[in-house]
Formats: sequence, structure tokens, C-alpha cells
Amino acid sequence: AAGVIQSPRHLIKEKRETATLKCYPIPRHDTVYWYQQGPGQDPQFLISFYEKMQSDKGSIPDRFSAQQFSDYHSELNMSSLELGDSALYFCASSPILAGALHEQYFGPGTRLTVT
Amino acid sequence: SQQGEEDPQALSIQEGENATMNCSYKTSINNLQWYRQNSGRGLVHLILIRSNEREKHSGRLRVTLDTSKKSSSLLITASRAADTASYFCATSAGNQFYFGTGTSLTVIP
Repeated sequence: AAGVIQSPRHLIKEKRETATLKCYPIPRHDTVYWYQQGPGQDPQFLISFYEKMQSDKGSIPDRFSAQQFSDYHSELNMSSLELGDSALYFCASSPILAGALHEQYFGPGTRLTVT
Repeated sequence: SQQGEEDPQALSIQEGENATMNCSYKTSINNLQWYRQNSGRGLVHLILIRSNEREKHSGRLRVTLDTSKKSSSLLITASRAADTASYFCATSAGNQFYFGTGTSLTVIP
């Protein structure tokens, strides 16, 4: 079965550079979530999109932005990178059912290292 | 915060034993999910239990939910070395998901 695809899997950037992470949800999933997981930390919710509109916002820095495109893939844009941005970034998708009783399916993650 | 807290933070058992992990949360939820994560790898969905369910089974996994105590437990029976991983609970309220701090399980062959 198709899973959530994230690219790239690994990314190395220098401080103050910009990074773009991509997420391709499972077909027919219309909701995408982004999470950041620092070393030894639990995943922290960043932002979510439903039907190409931002639906919820968590602890996402102002330096980050994201969008969902017409084909439902999503991109997380990170500017003015800082050392503390080094983390595993997960994307998850889910089909929206009534009452938000849905499961999230996670991608393998993109490991971002900022040097 | 809404985040679940899990205990124990670390658990080490012998292969074949059962492992029980607990998760507590603070506010009303739609559902609660358990995930596993191997070191440095992605999150793998294990099981979802809805707020109106009390117990759910999937293979060697058994999950309970007590909404009156705002807690859930994950039981892994007949553990295997391959079960070694971190286990997170995640609660859903509205469209946000909140992860607990995780339990690091080590199964010794």
C-alpha cells in the first residue's frame, strides 16, 4: 500500500540558509500535518492543512511557512536556519472523517542538520 | 498543556515477558493513539482507541482507555527483542495531535 513520502530524507544546511521539505500524502488523504522532533524529544506539532487551507497551528516559528498544493502535497519552508532547527521533521496524512476520528499515517521523516 | 505523559520513561525486560506502558493526558480527547519509533527512525502507528472504547486488541498489543482517569495503557505480550523501541501515546483534540514524552522499551534477548 502507498505510504506517506517525504523528501529529501536527509538535508544538511548552514546557518541562515533556507530549506524546503516536501511531503506527499497517501492518495485520497486530504489532511497533512507537520511535526518537529528534536534529539531525544517527543514530536511537536507544527502546522496542519485540510483541503489546501491551514487548519491548525502549533509551535511553528515565524521563520517557517508551509502550504498545501492542489495535488495535496505539502511543503515546509524554513528560512534563516538556526542550529536549533536541526531535527527530524515528520509529515503525516489522514483522511478526515466525521468528528475527526482519524488515524495519522507518518512518513519516514526528513533529518535536517544545520551546521 | 494537552500533552500526554508516559510512564515509565524507560523499561527493560527479558524476552517473553509482558511490557506495560501508561499514558496520562489532561483534557477531553477524540481518540488516543499509540506509536512506536525505532531510534532515529519514523513513527509507526500501532493502534487507535476511540474515546467511547475501553479496550482494544491488535495481535500482541492490548490497549485500554479510562476517560474518567484520563489514562491509557499499552500492553505488549510475549515481548521480542524486535519490540525494542520508544513508544509514544498521542491524543487528538480537534485537529491537533499531542504526543507524550514516550517510554523507551528495551527487550533483552
